[in-house]
Amino acid sequence: EPEVTQTPSHQVTQMGQEVILRCVPISNHLYFYWYRQILGQKVEFLVSFYNNEISEKSEIFDDQFSVERPDGSNFTLKIRSTKLEDSAMYFCASSEGGWDQPQHFGDGTRLSIL
Amino acid sequence: DAKTTQPNSMESNEEEPVHLPCNHSTISGTDYIHWYRQLPSQGPEYVIHGLTSNVNNRMASLAIAEDRKSSTLILHRATLRDAAVYYCILRDVESNSGGSNYKLTFGKGTLLTVNP
Repeated sequence: EPEVTQTPSHQVTQMGQEVILRCVPISNHLYFYWYRQILGQKVEFLVSFYNNEISEKSEIFDDQFSVERPDGSNFTLKIRSTKLEDSAMYFCASSEGGWDQPQHFGDGTRLSIL
Repeated sequence: DAKTTQPNSMESNEEEPVHLPCNHSTISGTDYIHWYRQLPSQGPEYVIHGLTSNVNNRMASLAIAEDRKSSTLILHRATLRDAAVYYCILRDVESNSGGSNYKLTFGKGTLLTVNP
């Protein structure tokens, strides 16, 4: 069964550094998402992406965050200048369609900011 | 999206059925009921969704009350692999257009423990 893959599985970065989290969504999917989960807390929506542009973003997704689909297969989340509070699991998801289609999640990247 | 209420935790025994409840008393006529689960150290996983009628798939069944103010996710024979946090999420079709508002809003869910 096709799956969403995320790399790396664990990223350790110094505060203030830039980090790029990578995702390969399922190949025929059109909608892409990033979520995060701080340890012990709920899964929170960050951003959705469709037709090469952001379709929705949350308050968490400020100017320090950006997303890109640089080619036909990858979907990346960049954090420009990381803060301690960015430490979390980051999940990428994709879906064939919009609201009525299931979202398929990767196993996440654990981001640790030192 | 309308609010859902789930028990914080439930416990079951292996190979027995499990009924996970969800209350959504403020559900609107256009809200679909979605269930996802999150196994330890993994991303969320879609389980099932429905609008009014009961739904079955290979993973589970979804029983929806006649007034739609509550629903129950049914795992017919729990296995150790079913131990996870189960999330009941409402998604409003009317507020979804042009790619916006397709996000999933997760609550705290129900932590299901399966005893061998």
